[in-house]
Amino acid sequence: DVVMTQSPLSLPVTLGQPASISCRSSQSLVHSDGNTYFNWFHQRPGQSPRRLIYKVSNRDSGVPDRFSGSGSGTDFTLKISRVEAEDVGVYYCMQATHWPLTFGGGTKVEIK
Amino acid sequence: EVQLVESGGGLVQPGRSLRLSCAASGFTIHGYAVHWVRQSPGKGLEWVSGIFWNNGNTGYVDSVRGRFTVSRDKAKNSLQLQMISPRPDDTAMYYCVAETSPGGMDVWGKGIMVTVSS
Repeated sequence: DVVMTQSPLSLPVTLGQPASISCRSSQSLVHSDGNTYFNWFHQRPGQSPRRLIYKVSNRDSGVPDRFSGSGSGTDFTLKISRVEAEDVGVYYCMQATHWPLTFGGGTKVEIK
Repeated sequence: EVQLVESGGGLVQPGRSLRLSCAASGFTIHGYAVHWVRQSPGKGLEWVSGIFWNNGNTGYVDSVRGRFTVSRDKAKNSLQLQMISPRPDDTAMYYCVAETSPGGMDVWGKGIMVTVSS
């Protein structure tokens, strides 16, 4: 199974400052069809997860452009250019290239 | 409105069976896969099972293989998860998740709580 390792576990941030979350996979996430099925999700307390980024760097509809995804192969990054109060919660990376699908352990973002 | 609505959860004794259902509304599930993802209280997300809508091929996480069975009803636009011999460590919020593109995991239900306890 593909192991997804996220860091940091916890990320205290100052409003208006940038933030970055890393995710590393134990094997390449490039599918045989040439796509990389790697997603980022955000979950607020008491809510279902919401997908933010799909296929590494594509923002979902309605996701602010302060969120960006990058990376390739086994190393991926989610960046928030200027953190806003609504960005708190837990962020998860996930790969859908190989079954079983696997999630990272999560990064809790909180305001300092 | 695009929605997935889970039902069938609740309290179940270890060893008894439980069947979760997920109904889609506002869109037709077709072409890609639909999944069950769970989250134990205070923990992270864990993919449990998935099924390819068109051909019915399925997959399971090791911890539930042989105990859980996923199925779909194309006519009813719905997904099921039969849980046989659940264990206390199966206690979790279970989310139904649909793909509208390959690997998408983009449509999530609100989740249904399953508690396995005597």
